[in-house]
Amino acid sequence: DIVMTQSPDSLAVSLGERATINCKSSQSVLYSSNNKNYLAWYQQKPGQPPKVLIYWASTRESGVPDRFSGSGSGTDFTLTISSLQAEDVAVYYCHQYYSTPQTFGQGTKLEIK
Amino acid sequence: EVQLLESGGDLVQPGGSLRLSCAASGFTFSTNAMSWVRQAPGKGLEWVSGTSGGGSTYYADSVKGRFSISRDNSKNMLYLQMNNLRAEDTALYYCAKVMHSSVIRDAFDFWGQGTLVTVSS
Repeated sequence: DIVMTQSPDSLAVSLGERATINCKSSQSVLYSSNNKNYLAWYQQKPGQPPKVLIYWASTRESGVPDRFSGSGSGTDFTLTISSLQAEDVAVYYCHQYYSTPQTFGQGTKLEIK
Repeated sequence: EVQLLESGGDLVQPGGSLRLSCAASGFTFSTNAMSWVRQAPGKGLEWVSGTSGGGSTYYADSVKGRFSISRDNSKNMLYLQMNNLRAEDTALYYCAKVMHSSVIRDAFDFWGQGTLVTVSS
């Protein structure tokens, strides 16, 4: 199984500042035949299901604010929120869909400092 | 508008069985891959099972041999039959739609609100 490890487990950032969440996979999730990284990022607020933010590691889902961006390739990935807003307080998960069983990172709790 | 509505969650004793259902609407269900993802109270997300648009099925090791995923394309319904339930199966079970295609190797763009399964004596 591919193990997804996020860092940090929790993060406190001031409003308007940058937030960075990392995700490392135990094996590459880059599929060589199409050069795509099978990696997504989700945001989950209390009492709500997850919401997709980023897929193929760097493609922003329609309607997601452009302050959210994804980067990385192979085994190392980053979710960046360029200017933290109050509504971004949530838990963030990375997800590999390269192979089954699909796996998620343990989650990163983002709070306001 | 895409909608996913889960049902069937309940309190069940260890060793018992439950069948979860997910009613789908607002997209072409028959050709779309679907998955079940669960979340234990206060914990993270765990992929449980998936089915392709063609009906191929996939399972997490933790549920293989105990859970069975199925779909009724004529009714736009996804199911999860859960047998020999254990305390560690206690979780909120989400039905999730794959974004783009009939294969399960894809991100999830829509999730239901979940149905709660509690395994306890």
